[in-house]
Amino acid sequence: AQSVTQLGSHVSVSEGALVLLRCNYSSSVPPYLFWYVQYPNQGLQLLLKYTSAATLVKGINGFEAEFKKSETSFHLTKPSAHMSDAAEYFCAVSRGSGGYNKLIFGAGTRLAVHP
Amino acid sequence: KAGVTQTPRYLIKTRGQQVTLSCSPISGHRSVSWYQQTPGQGLQFLFEYFSETQRNKGNFPGRFSGRQFSNSRSEMNVSTLELGDSALYLCASSSAGTGGLETQYFGPGTRLLVL
Repeated sequence: AQSVTQLGSHVSVSEGALVLLRCNYSSSVPPYLFWYVQYPNQGLQLLLKYTSAATLVKGINGFEAEFKKSETSFHLTKPSAHMSDAAEYFCAVSRGSGGYNKLIFGAGTRLAVHP
Repeated sequence: KAGVTQTPRYLIKTRGQQVTLSCSPISGHRSVSWYQQTPGQGLQFLFEYFSETQRNKGNFPGRFSGRQFSNSRSEMNVSTLELGDSALYLCASSSAGTGGLETQYFGPGTRLLVL
């Protein structure tokens, strides 16, 4: 069975500081991995996804993530935090081939950015 | 293109009632998935429909059901509402049937409160 663990339910950074949100996955098949962001009272927006084409994936708003198979990790980073990055971030894994679109989400990490 | 729309956005019901939520996917998208988001359980997959057929189902009781119409619009129904059904219900659509690596685009959600 697939699962996702996000380390740290709350992360706080200063504006301009590095953002690092951690995600580890468990999967018996090569995974497809996603990071989504959720702003208050909104749905989820895709930041980036890994589908085995390249291990370093660049997304929107300056975010990127690196797939590390040996560490079963897919951490999300951004070099310089902006106040507008304050939101909740979800890492997710999908079941993969077979015609399914089921996403399994981590518990989420709430990012706070302070001046 | 218009995004995923969900109606209604907010709903208040009492225990024992039933409720129907609606989701209109992005034009051309044939897959619609539903998720439940609660503070305690996080984001959980309910079911996925593709070409009017339920293709995958999560671990929810039979009180939760859904359907998809020929225009890809989808509805989900919850019968005999319980307090624990209070949640944000998110709908997501994606384009193709290969599954897994397709980006899912989320709607803003329907917030259901059961009293």
